[in-house]
Amino acid sequence: NAGVMQNPRHLVRRRGQEARLRCSPMKGHSHVYWYRQLPEEGLKFMVYLQKENIIDESGMPKERFSAEFPKEGPSILRIQQVVRGDSAAYFCASSPAGSTNEKLFFGSGTQLSVL
Amino acid sequence: QKEVEQNSGPLSVPEGAIASLNCTYSDRGSQSFFWYRQYSGKSPELIMSIYSNGDKEDGRFTAQLNKASQYVSLLIRDSQPSDSATYLCAVVVAGAGSYQLTFGKGTKLSVIP
Repeated sequence: NAGVMQNPRHLVRRRGQEARLRCSPMKGHSHVYWYRQLPEEGLKFMVYLQKENIIDESGMPKERFSAEFPKEGPSILRIQQVVRGDSAAYFCASSPAGSTNEKLFFGSGTQLSVL
Repeated sequence: QKEVEQNSGPLSVPEGAIASLNCTYSDRGSQSFFWYRQYSGKSPELIMSIYSNGDKEDGRFTAQLNKASQYVSLLIRDSQPSDSATYLCAVVVAGAGSYQLTFGKGTKLSVIP
């Protein structure tokens, strides 16, 4: 029973390039969350998605960042025109539903490095 | 700004001792509380959840919740070197469009053999 799968594990981009991070939730989970973790910082909520719907993107920067969770395939976090400040670990988590008691299960993360 | 506060540490305890990790939160309406463990360079791993006032025990771990004081703690009995990690307190808070799991910055625990 595979857990939350994220790829790539490490992604190196030059300033101005695009970064695409992928996340496949656990089997049976339909809710996906993206978090960003800067060095020595806690996890910061970015966006919450269900299949084909963005439920809450209040934590996502207004520009350059977008997320989707299509009917088929993984959830994608897309960062356009990356800058050095985007360097961080990006974690995806999933849950079966979006209630307040649901526990989140995290993927191994994607470490983005912007040169 | 709804916040979750933790002492960053590091907290050092000798092997076999009790490690006590503390967390306070600002959203009085929060109902769900979690402790995650994160080893360096790894993803957070859920170790405890608690929803009601009082204590909840699971093996060597005990979570304690006091909603009146807006305080949640984690006790680790018989600490082992393998418990050395960063412990993240997480609280479900009402966000702009949904309920969000909000994390503290974590407390780094070091168990000395």
